[in-house]
Amino acid sequence: NAGVTQTPKFQVLKTGQSMTLQCAQDMNHEYMSWYRQDPGMGLRLIHYSVGAGITDQGEVPNGYNVSRSTTEDFPLRLLSAAPSQTSVYFCASSYGGQTQYFGPGTRLLVL
Amino acid sequence: GQQVMQIPQYQHVQEGEDFTTYCNSSTTLSNIQWYKQRPGGHPVFLIQLVKSGEVKKQKRLTFQFGEAKKNSSLHITATQTTDVGTYFCAGMNYGGSQGNLIFGKGTKLSVKP
Repeated sequence: NAGVTQTPKFQVLKTGQSMTLQCAQDMNHEYMSWYRQDPGMGLRLIHYSVGAGITDQGEVPNGYNVSRSTTEDFPLRLLSAAPSQTSVYFCASSYGGQTQYFGPGTRLLVL
Repeated sequence: GQQVMQIPQYQHVQEGEDFTTYCNSSTTLSNIQWYKQRPGGHPVFLIQLVKSGEVKKQKRLTFQFGEAKKNSSLHITATQTTDVGTYFCAGMNYGGSQGNLIFGKGTKLSVKP
């Protein structure tokens, strides 16, 4: 199993550009989440999903959209990137919302 | 809202010294999880504690969950350079929803050989 995969690994955007961060898991986990990690701030939940077709907001959802059309995929969309969205983004999946399996992360720089 | 506080934020130790990080929640937790993140890597699950007063060991690592299920600690005996990284606790509220898993800000451990 590949576990949780994320693409791209690195991305540079200009302010106002849009992009989608991809996340996929092959463990048949119902729960998937997106976190952002900033220095000194730990991991903050952006959006999460408890199953296909169901999404909900986390602690810091503004500026991000998600959808969950399949169990495997949970893309994160930045509609109009801002410098404040410069961060490392981690996708995670879990069985029943318990142990989180994290992907390798996407490092995003917004200029 | 619920907060999970973790201290210290940084810890520098000499190889062979012990290390402890503490996690405190403002609310009673259903369980607490611990993760380790190596520099440049992603968080990796270490353990989950569920029962009041629970103590679990993994080689040189000892994890404790408080009697009131509001605090937890991770203790590393005789640190090694391989222990370098950031250790996160994550508290799960009752209800078990993904949105109820709150991470502490982490303790960054550096080990001087």
